[in-house]
Amino acid sequence: GENVEQHPSTLSVQEGDSAVIKCTYSDSASNYFPWYKQELGKRPQLIIDIRSNVGEKKDQRIAVTLNKTAKHFSLHITETQPEDSAVYFCAAIPDTGRRALTFGSGTRLQVQP
Amino acid sequence: DTEVTQTPKHLVMGMTNKKSLKCEQHMGHRAMYWYKQKAKKPPELMFVYSYEKLSINESVPSRFSPECPNSSLLNLHLHALQPEDSALYLCASSQDRGPGGTEAFFGQGTRLTVV
Repeated sequence: GENVEQHPSTLSVQEGDSAVIKCTYSDSASNYFPWYKQELGKRPQLIIDIRSNVGEKKDQRIAVTLNKTAKHFSLHITETQPEDSAVYFCAAIPDTGRRALTFGSGTRLQVQP
Repeated sequence: DTEVTQTPKHLVMGMTNKKSLKCEQHMGHRAMYWYKQKAKKPPELMFVYSYEKLSINESVPSRFSPECPNSSLLNLHLHALQPEDSALYLCASSQDRGPGGTEAFFGQGTRLTVV
């Protein structure tokens, strides 16, 4: 089955700096890669996603890049703000077999004002 | 309406109790999921229903029993739980489980404490 690894586990940045979180996946059949943000005590919420036919996607301060050959994808947050502080999870879904979200272990992002 | 609604928000139950968690969505989604999330860990898949049929059971103990009465509702029946089952139980739904993947929407979860 799919295995998703995520780094770093914690990340502390100054407000206004950029943050990068990286994930690798194992199943070459995976074709959908969402990123979820989970604030303390709340539900995971989708912030951006990318499909395997696209190399990069951007939405305001958030961007995701995908390297399907190397089986890794990354989340980039620019001009970070204190409200970006949360746990971020990457995930992958394969097109065959177990077609459900497999999550990475999570990154706790702390943006210092 | 992009909401997945879970009830109750909090539940404390004894090890001999029987209780049920409920999940509802009205987005016309045909795939529904139960996840378990322990503190500081990612959500862990338990069950998947696709078109009201159980399609994935991640070797979950039989003290957890899922049910999908119709395309909008998903239940998780709990019986004889252990303290280690205490966790946040998240329900999610997505349009379907076809190729390409689709966005999964999560409910706010039920925080379960087994005493």
